[in-house]
Amino acid sequence: EDKVVQSPLSLVVHEGDTVTLNCSYEVTNFRSLLWYKQEKKAPTFLFMLTSSGIEKKSGRLSSILDKKELFSILNITATQTGDSAIYLCAPRDAGNMLTFGGGTRLMVKP
Amino acid sequence: EAGVTQSPTHLIKTRGQQATLRCSPISGHTSVYWYQQALGLGLQFLLWYDEGEERNRGNFPPRFSGRQFPNYSSELNVNALELEDSALYLCASSLDTGLDEKLFFGSGTQLSVL
Repeated sequence: EDKVVQSPLSLVVHEGDTVTLNCSYEVTNFRSLLWYKQEKKAPTFLFMLTSSGIEKKSGRLSSILDKKELFSILNITATQTGDSAIYLCAPRDAGNMLTFGGGTRLMVKP
Repeated sequence: EAGVTQSPTHLIKTRGQQATLRCSPISGHTSVYWYQQALGLGLQFLLWYDEGEERNRGNFPPRFSGRQFPNYSSELNVNALELEDSALYLCASSLDTGLDEKLFFGSGTQLSVL
């Protein structure tokens, strides 16, 4: 059975801090890994990673995948209160199935 | 362009009743996915429809069922509701079954079973 573990479960930081969110996975026939941000209800897409070692970047957010060690990290620099959300990672298998982790709840204090 | 829309936003039922949740995908998207998110938990996969066919099903009892209509909208039905069915039900759509397609989510239906 596919398994996804995100850490930490929750995190409280102050504005301006840098955070690193972790996602480890065990997925049969791994294809790609997606990151989503869930602020209220609808998760919104952040990144899709398919190749090891290639960093994807969007503003203050970046993410990288290690297919050998079976993990991904999501970095957020210079955090803002608007970054407060649940961050979800979801590896996808060759059958197009996404398995979501339990998420990391990030709270950024002013 | 409208995103994924779900209705109703909230639904309150009692144990034993049936619930019907609806989802309209983004225009042009043929794949629809349903997920359950219980309080404090991650998204659990329920069902995947594409081109009117059920493509995969998660580890849920048969009282969770659904269908996809010719216009690609979808319905999730939950029969014989139990208290533990209380959760946020999220629908997502993607352009097709391509392995590099990202999912776009709706805002969900909050189902409360009393």
